[in-house]
Amino acid sequence: EAQVTQNPRYLITVTGKKLTVTCSQNMNHEYMSWYRQDPGLGLRQIYYSMNVEVTDKGDVPEGYKVSRKEKRNFPLILESPSPNQTSLYFCASSNRDSSWYFGPGTRLTVT
Amino acid sequence: AQSVTQPDIHITVSEGASLELRCNYSYGATPYLFWYVQSPGQGLQLLLKYFSGDTLVQGIKGFEAEFKRSQSSFNLRKPSVHWSDAAEYFCAVGPFSYIPTFGRGTSLIVHP
Repeated sequence: EAQVTQNPRYLITVTGKKLTVTCSQNMNHEYMSWYRQDPGLGLRQIYYSMNVEVTDKGDVPEGYKVSRKEKRNFPLILESPSPNQTSLYFCASSNRDSSWYFGPGTRLTVT
Repeated sequence: AQSVTQPDIHITVSEGASLELRCNYSYGATPYLFWYVQSPGQGLQLLLKYFSGDTLVQGIKGFEAEFKRSQSSFNLRKPSVHWSDAAEYFCAVGPFSYIPTFGRGTSLIVHP
């Protein structure tokens, strides 16, 4: 089944404790992206990648890192999480026809 | 820069009534346009997309959207809403590099 998977689905952590949210797609898509969703703000792009080893900042990249060492994986790294990064995070992937497939989301709470 | 505006934060309709969700975009070239739906607790699912050609596009679940270049709009419509259509709807515009920008979403409430 074609899908984008994210792990974990739910995470509660404390300020400053490094964490990684994994994202994997099985559709051989070139493009991948991370979004955060906050009430009243919709979806805001954090980082995106157009190919292996090619990443670029989105609209709200501060406090986040990404890497794209393999085509299928695009982890999101929070080196020192803060409470303002409490949010719902979505990973997505796409082929060249721009149909984006979204993962189920990761709900992160930073206390 | 590209942007998307969804003027309505919430829309309430009765089951069986028709629906139109508004979307206006700003983009310098021919846009790629999308509508996504997010059911409660779920990720986003593509409803339909427009790249070129016929300006009226059909999507899944009985939805359609019409691209109007003169109005910079891509409104989503459905002739008869079902209770299961209650969800958050997002319009998005994409550039040539295929990375879309999303609107803030419209929450659809369906009354029985």
